[in-house]
Amino acid sequence: AQRVTQPEKLLSVFKGAPVELKCNYSYSGSPELFWYVQYSRQRLQLLLRHISRESIKGFTADLNKGETSFHLKKPFAQEEDSAMYYCALSGDTDKLIFGTGTRLQVFP
Amino acid sequence: NAGVMQNPRHLVRRRGQEARLRCSPMKGHSHVYWYRQLPEEGLKFMVYLQKENIIDESGMPKERFSAEFPKEGPSILRIQQVVRGDSAAYFCASSPYSEGGYTFGSGTRLTVV
Repeated sequence: AQRVTQPEKLLSVFKGAPVELKCNYSYSGSPELFWYVQYSRQRLQLLLRHISRESIKGFTADLNKGETSFHLKKPFAQEEDSAMYYCALSGDTDKLIFGTGTRLQVFP
Repeated sequence: NAGVMQNPRHLVRRRGQEARLRCSPMKGHSHVYWYRQLPEEGLKFMVYLQKENIIDESGMPKERFSAEFPKEGPSILRIQQVVRGDSAAYFCASSPYSEGGYTFGSGTRLTVV
């Protein structure tokens, strides 16, 4: 079964601290993994996808097939990073399977 | 390009009424997806449509829910005889092709009273 697990509902850090939002997945084939971000009262926005290997707003994520993980990282958190972050998987069908999300709070 | 437009943003319905949620995809996008977000939960896939066709409705409840994406006009998610448990945020996404790269709308928050 396809599943995405985000074990932390809430992650609180101070400005300038490193951030790692965890995402583990369950899928037997070769998935495509995404991170979406939802700022307060705004729509979900694609933050990054593993095939593009980009760094967006200082965030990076590496697909680790051995650990079936796609953790989102940023070395120095900013207050404007406070938002809901969703990890998602796309397998052999066209739909996205989302995790339950992690709320990141960055304190000044 | 106005992005994915959903309306209304907020919808209040009494139990037993019908709810119609509209989604206009981005220009040039022919694939539309509907997701539901219940309180404290992630987004759950409901249905995937292309123009005039339902491709995957595996996430749709068997009763009271239906979706369409006509040749002309927006995609419609219709919920008949709403119940309190239908209260949720309903998000629409569109893409130009069938391999992700979605753009999401702002969602419709349905409240059933």
